[in-house]
Amino acid sequence: DSGVTQTPKHLITATGQRVTLRCSPRSGDLSVYWYQQSLDQGLQFLIHYYNGEERAKGNILERFSAQQFPDLHSELNLSSLELGDSALYFCASSAPRDGGTTEAFFGQGTRLTVV
Amino acid sequence: DAKTTQPTSMDCAEGRAANLPCNHSTISGNEYVYWYRQIHSQGPQYIIHGLKNNETNEMASLIITEDRKSSTLILPHATLRDTAVYYCIVRVASGGSYIPTFGRGTSLIVHP
Repeated sequence: DSGVTQTPKHLITATGQRVTLRCSPRSGDLSVYWYQQSLDQGLQFLIHYYNGEERAKGNILERFSAQQFPDLHSELNLSSLELGDSALYFCASSAPRDGGTTEAFFGQGTRLTVV
Repeated sequence: DAKTTQPTSMDCAEGRAANLPCNHSTISGNEYVYWYRQIHSQGPQYIIHGLKNNETNEMASLIITEDRKSSTLILPHATLRDTAVYYCIVRVASGGSYIPTFGRGTSLIVHP
């Protein structure tokens, strides 16, 4: 158990809809990262938040957005969904408040299926 | 962060040591070598990291060459459950600005 919790584990929705994926980081971690992994593809970085502030964007579509709340949990919002958005979405956390080297710990992912 | 090069795939017999190489010839003095693995469709799992000394934990050993341009992850007694994609990442070990960036990794198959 990495300590990172993602909900829901599975999500099936129709094209054009909007969904929200939730991530609770490890206790004390300030950084949250979101990744997308399509079938047989690598992990694509989407966005990074640190202590509530957006720090970096990767290959994130304009239809996607995210935020990190004061309690450090994060949500990834996906709108106007298309078939090609079907993928595993992973959240990772790192950067503990008390310092130290910052390996990233990943959640078990949300499998999104757009039909 | 420095770029890494790993073989696309490897295989290993169960019970034998699995040695996974990684080249990182452009590594900087303050960059660490990190290893993660991803078992099919699960979230990536941190394995080990090191700067210049060899490291060992309950999962694996990490051997870093003296010039730090390459490293080897060693799973001393591979089991079928070690079948996974293994990622080598080179990065600075600092606070909030780092982004773990994954390449294609090495697909390790452990066979009976």
